[in-house]
Amino acid sequence: GENVEQHPSTLSVQEGDSAVIKCTYSDSASNYFPWYKQELGKGPQLIIDIRSNVGEKKDQRIAVTLNKTAKHFSLHITETQPEDSAVYFCAASIGGQFYFGTGTSLTVIP
Amino acid sequence: GAVVSQHPSRVICKSGTSVKIECRSLDFQATTMFWYRQFPKQSLMLMATSNEGSKATYEQGVEKDKFLINHASLTLSTLTVTSAHPEDSSFYICSARRPPYEQYFGPGTRLTVT
Repeated sequence: GENVEQHPSTLSVQEGDSAVIKCTYSDSASNYFPWYKQELGKGPQLIIDIRSNVGEKKDQRIAVTLNKTAKHFSLHITETQPEDSAVYFCAASIGGQFYFGTGTSLTVIP
Repeated sequence: GAVVSQHPSRVICKSGTSVKIECRSLDFQATTMFWYRQFPKQSLMLMATSNEGSKATYEQGVEKDKFLINHASLTLSTLTVTSAHPEDSSFYICSARRPPYEQYFGPGTRLTVT
């Protein structure tokens, strides 16, 4: 089955700096790659996603890039703010099934 | 984005009793819903995939007789934890798939078994 690896597990950045989280996947048939933000005690919230026929997608301060050849995708957050502090999960989807990374705990230091 | 609700948000029950958790997709129809369990500071552990009108598919190691899942309509799935024990205490999260790709999560239910 699909295997998703996510790095780093923890990340601290100064407010205003950029943060990058990377994920790799193993199955080339994966065709949908969402990113979720989970705040403490809450369910994950879909923040951005990308399909396999697209290389990059941007929504205000967040962007996702996909390299199908290398089987990796990344989340980029620019101009980080304290409210960006949360756990971020990547996922890869095949045939409607989702495989999640292990999560990155992002701390934005004011 | 789409909205998925989950009820209750928090429940405390005594050992040996059963607890039902409801998951609803509020603004879209979901033929597929998922149930996850999450331990502190860990990733999401898929328990089962629920398809409307058919039996749920459970992941290996998940007791289907203990975690009863019913997906009776396109907007409602329920998880019943039967004969709950302290080791069942956890954060349970449902999600619903909005075709063709997206998956939206509920806010989660914190179950504490005393």
